[in-house]
Amino acid sequence: AQKITQTQPGMFVQEKEAVTLDCTYDTSDPSYGLFWYKQPSSGEMIFLIYQGSYDQQNATEGRYSLNFQKARKSANLVISASQLGDSAMYFCAMRDSNDYKLSFGAGTTVTVRA
Amino acid sequence: EPEVTQTPSHQVTQMGQEVILRCVPISNHLYFYWYRQILGQKVEFLVSFYNNEISEKSEIFDDQFSVERPDGSNFTLKIRSTKLEDSAMYFCASSEYQNQPQHFGDGTRLSIL
Repeated sequence: AQKITQTQPGMFVQEKEAVTLDCTYDTSDPSYGLFWYKQPSSGEMIFLIYQGSYDQQNATEGRYSLNFQKARKSANLVISASQLGDSAMYFCAMRDSNDYKLSFGAGTTVTVRA
Repeated sequence: EPEVTQTPSHQVTQMGQEVILRCVPISNHLYFYWYRQILGQKVEFLVSFYNNEISEKSEIFDDQFSVERPDGSNFTLKIRSTKLEDSAMYFCASSEYQNQPQHFGDGTRLSIL
């Protein structure tokens, strides 16, 4: 069974600084995908970044980067140069190769301070 | 940029009534999904739909739930006889292929009274 763990329920970060959100996962499938989503207070779910288990490079998407450590089964999200609009809940999710569903972690709330 | 659209944004229904939540996935996407998020909790998978049939469903998706793609653009979730515990945000999502990122709509907040 898949399991996603996000151990940080909430984090504060100063504007313009970087923040790292932890995500560890557990799966026996060698082929899987890892995803991060942002959920602002308005409630929508916004796709941020994707990492495939066989990708050689860490994924990057603008100010978002994914620190993928396969042996440690971790897929931490790094947000660089934080902005006030980054304040939101962030979810890590995973999909195994044979699954259609995404399995989500409990989320981390990020609050950016001016 | 194309997006998934959901209607209504908020639905209030009496317990025991039927409710239909509507979604228009991104036009070239082939895979469709429903998730729900009870207030303050994690996002839970309900069902996935591909090639006009359910491809995967969770334990939550019991006989009270059904999905349908009535035409080439809409994708609906029906809850036959709502319970108080069905109160949640319901998200529709779609992806072009199975291994591609799923793009979510803005959700329908369902309140059961």
